[in-house]
Amino acid sequence: GNSVTQMEGPVTLSEEAFLTINCTYTATGYPSLFWYVQYPGEGLQLLLKATKADDKGSNKGFEATYRKETTSFHLEKGSVQVSDSAVYFCALSLSTSGTYKYIFGTGTRLKVLA
Amino acid sequence: AAGVIQSPRHLIKEKRETATLKCYPIPRHDTVYWYQQGPGQDPQFLISFYEKMQSDKGSIPDRFSAQQFSDYHSELNMSSLELGDSALYFCASSKGRSVLTEAFFGQGTRLTVV
Repeated sequence: GNSVTQMEGPVTLSEEAFLTINCTYTATGYPSLFWYVQYPGEGLQLLLKATKADDKGSNKGFEATYRKETTSFHLEKGSVQVSDSAVYFCALSLSTSGTYKYIFGTGTRLKVLA
Repeated sequence: AAGVIQSPRHLIKEKRETATLKCYPIPRHDTVYWYQQGPGQDPQFLISFYEKMQSDKGSIPDRFSAQQFSDYHSELNMSSLELGDSALYFCASSKGRSVLTEAFFGQGTRLTVV
């Protein structure tokens, strides 16, 4: 079936450390891939997206590359800040039998310490 | 810019009561998705609508029903509430039926069943 698998959290880093949150997916067809971020008490906000193989999404210093050969969409940031502390969700959107849906990973909580 | 509006933001109900959650999508968005996010869980897809017709159905209990109205707002009706229904309920909207377009999420309605 279609699914998204993320690395488990929490991930705890010191400020200015390098961040990688792994995400792999299983999907039929040609999904688009997304990273959403959820700050405490808030809804999900789109962080970045990629719609085809080898696309790189980037925003606010975060990057992720759509790797079809490894079915991955790992999130990276070179230097994290305390304000990046949040839960990060990898997601895919796909079309099956004329319907459209988003499938989310389980989320990875990031804690950045000053 | 206008965002997805959900009401109420917080709701407390007793077991076996009924609750109605409302979602107002971004103007000109024609697709609405409903998700349920339990404590520490990833968002689980409940149901979606496109152009006022049910588009897809996920893990929505039979006690729940939803519809999209002529002005594109959507309501999720939940009856015979159970303690396990306590969760954050998100609505998301998007424009058109394409895997290329991202969903925009509201801030959610936190339902507590006591």
